[in-house]
Amino acid sequence: QVQLQESGPGLVKPSETLSLTCTVSGGSITSHYCSWIRQPPGKGLKWIGYIYYSGSANYNPSLRGRVTISVDTSKNQCSLKLNSVTAADTAIYYCARGPSSSGFSDYWGQGTLVTVSS
Amino acid sequence: QSVVTQPPSVSGAPGQRVTISCTGSSSNIGAGYNVHWYQQLPGTAPKLLIYDTTNRPSGVPDRFSGSKSGTSASLVITGLQAEDEADYYCQSYDSSLSGHVIFGGGTKLTVL
Repeated sequence: QVQLQESGPGLVKPSETLSLTCTVSGGSITSHYCSWIRQPPGKGLKWIGYIYYSGSANYNPSLRGRVTISVDTSKNQCSLKLNSVTAADTAIYYCARGPSSSGFSDYWGQGTLVTVSS
Repeated sequence: QSVVTQPPSVSGAPGQRVTISCTGSSSNIGAGYNVHWYQQLPGTAPKLLIYDTTNRPSGVPDRFSGSKSGTSASLVITGLQAEDEADYYCQSYDSSLSGHVIFGGGTKLTVL
């Protein structure tokens, strides 16, 4: 059974960089995309971006310039960096396997809450 | 503001049938992209419920079904159960956004 687990600091100061890692177990990250999605408290899902195991990435235009997603196939991990954070970046951050060729994400991590506050 | 629109809330009594709509445009659902649905139970991560518009992953009851027509898609839940109370999100691609992933705003289903 494929499982994904997000890890990283739960509190980030304004203007600093949010860094999260997603570790995939029970399957290889190879030949799959890894996505990051976030959900502000009480609000809906927002796609951040995804990366293929080869390193090709695509980002939400609203975050472009602040976001970088990377992959480490040797560790079966993908990572998210979001710089110059503000309180508006406070959210539950999910990693997910996908999108598939038709667009869906079939396995999701449990999510991790990141709060931006001084 | 989402590119695809869902009703903020729907409700139904146990045993009833409810429909959740997902309305898009010619650059996403109407462009032929598949629609996928996720169920998010309170305090948990989203779970894939319907993929490729009409398909159910293993373990999803056949009470859940999906369809698409034109620029809209629908999720139908029959024989409503208390455990179905959750948030539901549709998801697709949008060609006007360089093939970016888009989510609907989500629909809160309340079982009366």
